[in-house]
Amino acid sequence: AQSVTQLDSQVPVFEEAPVELRCNYSSSVSVYLFWYVQYPNQGLQLLLKYLSGSTLVESINGFEAEFNKSQTSFHLRKPSVHISDTAEYFCAVTSYSSASKIIFGSGTRLSIRP
Amino acid sequence: GAVVSQHPSRVICKSGTSVKIECRSLDFQATTMFWYRQFPKQSLMLMATSNEGSKATYEQGVEKDKFLINHASLTLSTLTVTSAHPEDSSFYICSARAGGSSSYEQYFGPGTRLTVT
Repeated sequence: AQSVTQLDSQVPVFEEAPVELRCNYSSSVSVYLFWYVQYPNQGLQLLLKYLSGSTLVESINGFEAEFNKSQTSFHLRKPSVHISDTAEYFCAVTSYSSASKIIFGSGTRLSIRP
Repeated sequence: GAVVSQHPSRVICKSGTSVKIECRSLDFQATTMFWYRQFPKQSLMLMATSNEGSKATYEQGVEKDKFLINHASLTLSTLTVTSAHPEDSSFYICSARAGGSSSYEQYFGPGTRLTVT
């Protein structure tokens, strides 16, 4: 079984400041890792994913996440945030053996202050 | 590509009535669809997994007689909340997966907010 831990329920930052949203996972098998973003009253949108290969993955809007197997982490970072990045961010994990059940973390609310 | 829609986006119903929520994959065939429930400021909790043409598999603690799931075609799954009560008020999100069991990616619908009065 897999589990995901997002230690920070809320992260307030100033606009143009860097941000890191932390995610740790637990699994006895190889995993696929995801970050999803949810804007108010909307569904989830896939932000980025790690399947295999390069441990650093990037999104089109400047976010990146690095898969660290030894630390079982998949932290999300952005060097300079924008007001429009205000949203809830969910880290998630699945594996080939889990029949594609996705396990979500509890979410981190990113709030950007002008 | 890979768009999933839900209808309705919002619904208000009276206690004791039933509500049906539709989930459609618009540009691909979804062999598997998932239904999630999200309470305010909380994460998504998987309710059930439905495969086209077969009975849904419910997660532990989810009442299958209360949350009826039908996956009648490769592009449509429905969730019916029967005899709804205020505690059923929540945000319901579906997702769809194309391909076989080795496919990992799910595409999420925009969600349906159910309010039971």
